[in-house]
Amino acid sequence: NAGVMQNPRHLVRRRGQEARLRCSPMKGHSHVYWYRQLPEEGLKFMVYLQKENIIDESGMPKERFSAEFPKEGPSILRIQQVVRGDSAAYFCASSRTGQHSGANVLTFGAGSRLTVL
Amino acid sequence: GESVGLHLPTLSVQEGDNSIINCAYSNSASDYFIWYKQESGKGPQFIIDIRSNMDKRQGQRVTVLLNKTVKHLSLQIAATQPGDSAVYFCAENRPPPGGGADGLTFGKGTHLIIQP
Repeated sequence: NAGVMQNPRHLVRRRGQEARLRCSPMKGHSHVYWYRQLPEEGLKFMVYLQKENIIDESGMPKERFSAEFPKEGPSILRIQQVVRGDSAAYFCASSRTGQHSGANVLTFGAGSRLTVL
Repeated sequence: GESVGLHLPTLSVQEGDNSIINCAYSNSASDYFIWYKQESGKGPQFIIDIRSNMDKRQGQRVTVLLNKTVKHLSLQIAATQPGDSAVYFCAENRPPPGGGADGLTFGKGTHLIIQP
């Protein structure tokens, strides 16, 4: 089991460009979560998705950010017209079900580090 | 604002000593708590969890204590080793209205430094 796979691991973009971050959940996991981590900060919840559905996007900025988890393929976090403040590590996590419990913890990927010049 | 926070940003301990990392939370409805370890350049790794109907849970070299009266959570690491150097985050799960899950709320983290 390869775990949660995220790519790219590092991404550099200039202001105004688009950033696309991809996440393949663990095998057998159909629930995906995206978190953002600023330097020296904790992780901030962004969005929770199941296949083809956004369950909770309460942590997503209202503009420029979007997420999807299509029926086939990885989940994608898309940031349009990036600004320097978007520079951060973006972590994806997956779980077997949507309920947090001892039998169903989130498994995190290694993260994608976005740098906006 | 943050509902989960930490008392100390950095904790330095001697190798072989026990480490205690503290965490405070403010939401009394939180029913599940997790400690994660994050090494430099890596994603958070699950260490141990505890449900709100418990006050103590032990794992291998780690113990989590939950004090619901003062909304306090701690992680104890016995016989700290160099490999324990990392940032440790506590996270809480708040049951949203209607059930389901909306992710975890993380604290800012404590950087554990092991001195030889």
